[in-house]
Amino acid sequence: ETGVTQTPRHLVMGMTNKKSLKCEQHLGHNAMYWYKQSAKKPLELMFVYSLEERVENNSVPSRFSPECPNSSHLFLHLHTLQPEDSALYLCASSQDRTVVNEKLFFGSGTQLSVL
Amino acid sequence: AQSVAQPEDQVNVAEGNPLTVKCTYSVSGNPYLFWYVQYPNRGLQFLLKYITGDNLVKGSYGFEAEFNKSQTSFHLKKPSALVSDSALYFCAVRDDTDKLIFGTGTRLQVFP
Repeated sequence: ETGVTQTPRHLVMGMTNKKSLKCEQHLGHNAMYWYKQSAKKPLELMFVYSLEERVENNSVPSRFSPECPNSSHLFLHLHTLQPEDSALYLCASSQDRTVVNEKLFFGSGTQLSVL
Repeated sequence: AQSVAQPEDQVNVAEGNPLTVKCTYSVSGNPYLFWYVQYPNRGLQFLLKYITGDNLVKGSYGFEAEFNKSQTSFHLKKPSALVSDSALYFCAVRDDTDKLIFGTGTRLQVFP
C-alpha cells in the first residue's frame, strides 16, 4: 500500500448527479494532487494543493470542484458531468512540491463512468 | 515547454529477455526525469529518477534507466524480464513550475 487511499473505487453517475471523490493520505505530506487518466493520453494534472491552499488549477471545467479541508484529505466534487469526463481519477501526495527530486505517492484511483 | 514522449504504445518481450521502454524528453533547463509503473487496478508507483550524476540510474525491482543528454533520452531497461513486470510504464519530467509532466504510457507485456 502507498499510504494514499481513494474512495470509492468505482462510480457510475448520470449527467445530472452530484457526487464526490475522496482521498486520504496517511504519510504526513504537505501537498496533494488530482490527476485524470484517460486511455492513450498523458496523465492530466487537474489541481494541486500545498498546505491546504490551491496552487494550481489547470484550466479544469467548473463542473469539477476540489476541496482540501486539511493536509490529509482531498475531495473532488462532481456535478453535471459529461460522458467525456469518464476516466480514472488519481489522487497523489508528496512531502514538498518544490523539491526537485520529490516523488509522488498515488492512490489506486476512482474509475468514473458518466452515463 | 517541458514534455516527454513515449513512442511505443506497447512493448512485447519474452520472459528472461532484456527489455527497453523508450522515453525522450524536451526541457529548457536541467532535466529532472522519472519513471513510474502502474500495475492493473493500482495507482502509479515510483520506480526511479535522474536528477544529476551518473547517467545510469538504478531503481526498484531490478529496473534501471540510462540518461543520454545528446539524444535527450531516458530509456528504461531491465536485463531479464519477468512476467510480473507486465504493467503500464510512464516517463515523466519535472517542469519549471514544479509540476510533473507525464507521457502517454507504454504497456509492457512479458510472455512466458
